[in-house]
Amino acid sequence: DGGITQSPKYLFRKEGQNVTLSCEQNLNHDAMYWYRQDPGQGLRLIYYSQIVNDFQKGDIAEGYSVSREKKESFPLTVTSAQKNPTAFYLCASRDLSSGGAGELFFGEGSRLTVL
Amino acid sequence: AQKITQTQPGMFVQEKEAVTLDCTYDTSDPSYGLFWYKQPSSGEMIFLIYQGSYDQQNATEGRYSLNFQKARKSANLVISASQLGDSAMYFCAMRELRGTYKYIFGTGTRLKVLA
Repeated sequence: DGGITQSPKYLFRKEGQNVTLSCEQNLNHDAMYWYRQDPGQGLRLIYYSQIVNDFQKGDIAEGYSVSREKKESFPLTVTSAQKNPTAFYLCASRDLSSGGAGELFFGEGSRLTVL
Repeated sequence: AQKITQTQPGMFVQEKEAVTLDCTYDTSDPSYGLFWYKQPSSGEMIFLIYQGSYDQQNATEGRYSLNFQKARKSANLVISASQLGDSAMYFCAMRELRGTYKYIFGTGTRLKVLA
């Protein structure tokens, strides 16, 4: 089945540690996104990438880093510089080549808790 | 600036009844797309329906329809014949079509379907 796989589903981190959230897609989509979701705030864009080896900052990129070495993979690192990292993180992808709505396809998310 | 507003933090509906979830938006771009997503407790965002700003007719997808009033900048989601499985968070989102990447999300409405 085609889709987006995020891992781990739950992650606990001590303050001062970097953690990396995995996002893999087998939809052959060019564009990939990372969103952060906090209660009552909707989804906020962290980073996005439209092509391999290229990515852009979103609205809340401070304290985060990404890489896009392969089309199917877009890992997100939450660094110790992120002041309030406890949140639900969603990875998404989008097919740039076809017409239609251009909807985002989402993974099941990763919940990060900082102890 | 782009903005999506969902003013209903929570809604209740009786099973088999119809319910309308409100969404208003703001954009200066004449070309845009409007999306609705469902987020069950599992966390994954599920695409429901899309409306383009130039579409002449309101979008429909099964039990979902979008009441698009362009002059009022509203894009309300109507769910007919509610089912218990419809209980979830619902998010309205927008993308300006000239910008290829940025999707703006509202804060969501939590719908509870009562038996």
